[in-house]
Amino acid sequence: GAGVSQSPSNKVTEKGKDVELRCDPISGHTALYWYRQRLGQGLEFLIYFQGNSAPDKSGLPSDRFSAERTGESVSTLTIQRTQQEDSAVYLCASSPGTDRNTIYFGEGSWLTVV
Amino acid sequence: GENVEQHPSTLSVQEGDSAVIKCTYSDSASNYFPWYKQELGKRPQLIIDIRSNVGEKKDQRIAVTLNKTAKHFSLHITETQPEDSAVYFCAARAGGSYIPTFGRGTSLIVHP
Repeated sequence: GAGVSQSPSNKVTEKGKDVELRCDPISGHTALYWYRQRLGQGLEFLIYFQGNSAPDKSGLPSDRFSAERTGESVSTLTIQRTQQEDSAVYLCASSPGTDRNTIYFGEGSWLTVV
Repeated sequence: GENVEQHPSTLSVQEGDSAVIKCTYSDSASNYFPWYKQELGKRPQLIIDIRSNVGEKKDQRIAVTLNKTAKHFSLHITETQPEDSAVYFCAARAGGSYIPTFGRGTSLIVHP
């Protein structure tokens, strides 16, 4: 079946603007993750959704970042008042939510703030 | 929370040589250790994983070893090929958590 799908693949935005990044997880996957990857850096955890439970927002770097998920489907990551340091690849991932917990990544959304 | 250290940050080898990437973790409750490969401009993909009840796991040219006492685990790639060139990430996940913590990555370059 289809993998994790993200859009847009690339986004250039002006400093101060808001952006929305979308993630379609693999069908049936109850767990969804957002990670940030700055150029040449590792994977920085942002937020985790599991079914209808309250999300784990412990990785969000500031209150300019927020994310929503509708049930066990699409998720949107919103960055308000973007700053240049927000430039990065934003990776979404999903997993079945079982103990096996292999997570599958999307191709990412490359955000450039100018 | 969990902290994962990964070394080296860059590894350059000749085709046919072996490559070893090492990671340490801080949380003794961690029980799941996946390795991901990320080719340039591509998504990270799982290549092998190991659970804490196993000391070693092999899959063709790749193997992972785990030392729970020392809290470190390693990726071994034998007979490296140019297509092995990529960034490799280790990760650790504690029992009761579904959020893996990733290392900073190792850029492996295999010279033909």
